[in-house]
Amino acid sequence: QSALTQPASVSGSPGQSITISCTGTSSDVGSYNLVSWYQQHPGKAPKLMIYEGSKRPSGVSNRFSGSKSGNTASLTISGLQAEDEADYYCCSYAGSSTPPYVFGTGTKVTVL
Amino acid sequence: QVQLVESGGGVVQPGRSLRLSCAASGFTFSSYGMHWVRQAPGKGLEWVAVIWYDGSNKYYADSVKGRFTISRDNSKNTLYLQMNSLRAEDTAVYYCARAGWTGTSAPGNWFDPWGQGTLVTVSS
Repeated sequence: QSALTQPASVSGSPGQSITISCTGTSSDVGSYNLVSWYQQHPGKAPKLMIYEGSKRPSGVSNRFSGSKSGNTASLTISGLQAEDEADYYCCSYAGSSTPPYVFGTGTKVTVL
Repeated sequence: QVQLVESGGGVVQPGRSLRLSCAASGFTFSSYGMHWVRQAPGKGLEWVAVIWYDGSNKYYADSVKGRFTISRDNSKNTLYLQMNSLRAEDTAVYYCARAGWTGTSAPGNWFDPWGQGTLVTVSS
């Protein structure tokens, strides 16, 4: 099972919206609406931002939203803020495959 | 509040063993599946293993299958990762993470929260 494909970097100015893509296959992203997204600041543990494709945990800003089309999931950050600068990872459930969970390659978000 | 604290990392020679622990607090540990996820220096996240809330099911990444064993002691609110036959490529920060709650016996397919991580360095 290969890692899900994400762009290495995405950038935007404060207040803008950006979208991070996460491309998998029909065995993972395409088969399940079970993609989660994590934010990781340098030297820190990852933090859950989106689960089950589009659900936001309590305490996560509504500027973060998730969606999916076919084998590609997306994370959109609207009203970009300086604190959003971090690495972002997607993760998909892959069913009975080995491994049952596969992470994306990660995207560095830079706020210009 | 919900807290996960890993321990047991360090420097170990190739071929040797190490056991990581993850102490849980602030929630009913025995009701949740638990994961280990690792991150090599400067690299992305890699899922390692998952264990059901009662230890009845365990799954592993191909890269660690046969060498690593995930286990838990619900009486001690602690998750473990026994790592044998360690290789240089196992060098990473190891995080424990709670599986999402689904209300069923199967763990939810997300990780929240995560511990702060413990660094394992495999080097001669």
